[in-house]
Amino acid sequence: QKEVEQDPGPLSVPEGAIVSLNCTYSNSAFQYFMWYRQYSRKGPELLMYTYSSGNKEDGRFTAQVDKSSKYISLFIRDSQPSDSATYLCAALNQGGKLIFGQGTELSVKP
Amino acid sequence: DAGVIQSPRHEVTEMGQEVTLRCKPISGHNSLFWYRQTMMRGLELLIYFNNNVPIDDSGMPEDRFSAKMPNASFSTLKIQPSEPRDSAVYFCASSPGTYETQYFGPGTRLLVL
Repeated sequence: QKEVEQDPGPLSVPEGAIVSLNCTYSNSAFQYFMWYRQYSRKGPELLMYTYSSGNKEDGRFTAQVDKSSKYISLFIRDSQPSDSATYLCAALNQGGKLIFGQGTELSVKP
Repeated sequence: DAGVIQSPRHEVTEMGQEVTLRCKPISGHNSLFWYRQTMMRGLELLIYFNNNVPIDDSGMPEDRFSAKMPNASFSTLKIQPSEPRDSAVYFCASSPGTYETQYFGPGTRLLVL
């Protein structure tokens, strides 16, 4: 079993829709969680990070961590075609290594 | 800042050949990471350095893979001999410190025929 699991999709939504991206993880010791966005043929870029449980909001993006269920979520409100990318969740382990999920490919149709 | 710089951006080689990938981290960053990304396995950490010293190379798949960081502004990942299953996108990332945000380069697309 991978330490961080993510449904690879692809996920296709109409413009303006609310998008929900989800991951699960197995190591209860993970404390820092990140979401990276990767456009086609580019390197991943950090979108948001959270520490422990709770929500963090940044514009149209909200990251949520539920440590009791080991569940990580990213919500995108009012999705735009420019949000079309692959979204990768990641957890930072005690050794400083980022453990990535498989990535979910999102397509927002105009 | 120019960001993390990787070269070459694309590499096509034949099985058995030596491949060298290069990375220049962001100036002032103390940690450097090499990742490999494939459709099947996603993004996997191969090795990371802190202050030019290899800290964890447990992700290096085989002895055919080696990485060096001779100074704070340069690192190489070498595959010798290369095999078709090494075909992937290889990313270099750097961060100010081990537990801080990692900034990724544009990647090197490697195809081994």
